[in-house]
Amino acid sequence: QVQLQESGPGLVKPSETLSLTCTVSGGSISSYYWSWIRQPAGKGLEWIGRIYTSGSTNYNPSLKSRVTMSVDTSKNQFSLKLSSVTAADTAVYYCARIAADRPDYWGQGTLVTVSS
Amino acid sequence: DIQMTQSPSSLSASVGDRVTITCQASQDISNYLNWYQQKPGKAPKLLIYDASNLETGVPSRFSGSGSGTDFTFTISSLQPEDIATYYCQQYDNLPAMYTFGQGTKLEIK
Repeated sequence: QVQLQESGPGLVKPSETLSLTCTVSGGSISSYYWSWIRQPAGKGLEWIGRIYTSGSTNYNPSLKSRVTMSVDTSKNQFSLKLSSVTAADTAVYYCARIAADRPDYWGQGTLVTVSS
Repeated sequence: DIQMTQSPSSLSASVGDRVTITCQASQDISNYLNWYQQKPGKAPKLLIYDASNLETGVPSRFSGSGSGTDFTFTISSLQPEDIATYYCQQYDNLPAMYTFGQGTKLEIK
């Protein structure tokens, strides 16, 4: 069974860059899209972007200027960088596999707090 | 951009009740509509894909219907373990974009 695990700092200072990595186990990272989705406390889900194993990316237009995603197939990992963060970026960040245009496997989520 | 309007935002029902949640798209999305269940502190879980297909391992009391702009998610007989927040989600490919509804918080009466 495919499993995903997010990792990275839980606290980021305002104006700095949030960096997270998702490690995929139980299956190959190849031939799928992989996505990042976030959820502020008590609020709904917001899609951040997706990356294919070739490195091709699509980002949410509302975040596009600040988002960079990358993939390392040799490590079965993909990553998220979100620059110039503010308190509004405080959220639980999920990584997920996209299969047939739907997120089917999700990580457990990791809380990132933006605060000085 | 396609907007998703989900209703109601919250719902209280008794065990055994039939529960219905609706999701309306701002334009025709064919059947590119999925439904998720999220329990507190957990990641969302895919229940229904392509509007009406039950994900493997999901109990048959969950179902979905609709196409175009109007979609419905139903729990035929509410169980205590169904307490969660439910989200609809659509996919648009031009440009690639995944949009979630606002969520419906389901509680037991």
